[in-house]
Parts: sequence; structure tokens; C-alpha cells
Amino acid sequence: EADIYQTPRYLVIGTGKKITLECSQTMGHDKMYWYQQDPGMELHLIHYSYGVNSTEKGDLSSESTVSRIRTEHFPLTLESARPSHTSQYLCASSGMGDTEAFFGQGTRLTVV
Amino acid sequence: AQRVTQPEKLLSVFKGAPVELKCNYSYSGSPELFWYVQYSRQRLQLLLRHISRESIKGFTADLNKGETSFHLKKPFAQEEDSAMYYCALVDTGRRALTFGSGTRLQVQP
Repeated sequence: EADIYQTPRYLVIGTGKKITLECSQTMGHDKMYWYQQDPGMELHLIHYSYGVNSTEKGDLSSESTVSRIRTEHFPLTLESARPSHTSQYLCASSGMGDTEAFFGQGTRLTVV
Repeated sequence: AQRVTQPEKLLSVFKGAPVELKCNYSYSGSPELFWYVQYSRQRLQLLLRHISRESIKGFTADLNKGETSFHLKKPFAQEEDSAMYYCALVDTGRRALTFGSGTRLQVQP
């Protein structure tokens, strides 16, 4: 079934650890996005990609990095997690000719 | 810079009452606007987009360019409408969505 998957759903990790948040989609979409959302606040675009080997930074400055080696996969990495990285991270994708974005379930990250 | 403003963090109404969730935007050019909804324990999903001009689950939204608004309306609220609602605008340069801060709708029995 066509879908967009994020793992893990919840992650509690210590300061200084390296983490990778996974996002995969089986929708055949070229465009993928990462949004960061604090509770009760708007979603902020932190990274996006138009396709393989394409990555761009979004509106909100983020210490995270992304890669797009395969069309269906768009992982987000934090080299050294800090408490300020505590947030919800949402992955989304859309078709090249469309503006509707499909979202994953999100990863709720807590850095202690 | 484009911006989406949702002035109400929480809107509480009784079942059967009319609902209006406010959304204002700032954008130079012809905007493409959406409403997304997130029900409890579910993912964010598209509710409707202005270009389709359709009614979804009884909700409608009209783009008012003069007032730069895209308010979401429903004449008779149902308990199952309780959710977070986000207004969003497409950045035509990047083709990515800019979201408002969201409004939580509570429909009481």
C-alpha cells in the first residue's frame, strides 16, 4: 500500500548522541520534506528535496542534515543531539506536479 | 515574505453550532491555499484546497483576496470534527507548504 513511514515514532536519547530519523515513502513521489513542530506551534520547514541528490535547507535553521540517495528514502541526521533539539519531526512527500503533501506519523524526539 | 496567521489557538463550540476557523495570509501573487487537519493520534492530512472549491465533511473555505483570508466554515459542528486544523500556503518558488500555528477545535456534546 502506498504510504509514508517514519521510524522511530518516539525516541528518548542522551545529549551528545548521534541520531538518524528515518523516512521512507512508497508513493513514487519526487519531492520530500522535513518539518519541525513544537507543541502548539506551527510546522517549520527545515529541509526539502526535489529528487535524488537534491537537498535544500528550509526556513528554520537546523543543525540537522539530510541525504537523498534513493527516491523513496530521506533520512535526517543529528550528529550531536542537544536538549534544544527536542521536538516533533514530520516527514512529507508530494508528486512533482502537485502541491498536496502527504505526511508521515512523525517522530517525537526528546533529548535529555 | 509569505506568512499564514491563525489568530485562535482554541475554538470551543457546542454540537450543532456553526464553526468558523480563521486564516489570514500575506503573499505577493496568486496564492494557493489549503486546510490540513490532524485528528487525535492520526497523521496530518489534507482537508481541502481552495482550487478544488469542494466541500469536505461539510467544511468549505472561500478565498477572499481583498481581505487576504481563507476561513474554514461548517454550518453545524459534529463531535467528530474535534481536531487540530492548520491553514497552509504554497511557496511557489520551492513548492513547499508554509503553515499557520493551528487552531484546536473542540466540539462539546
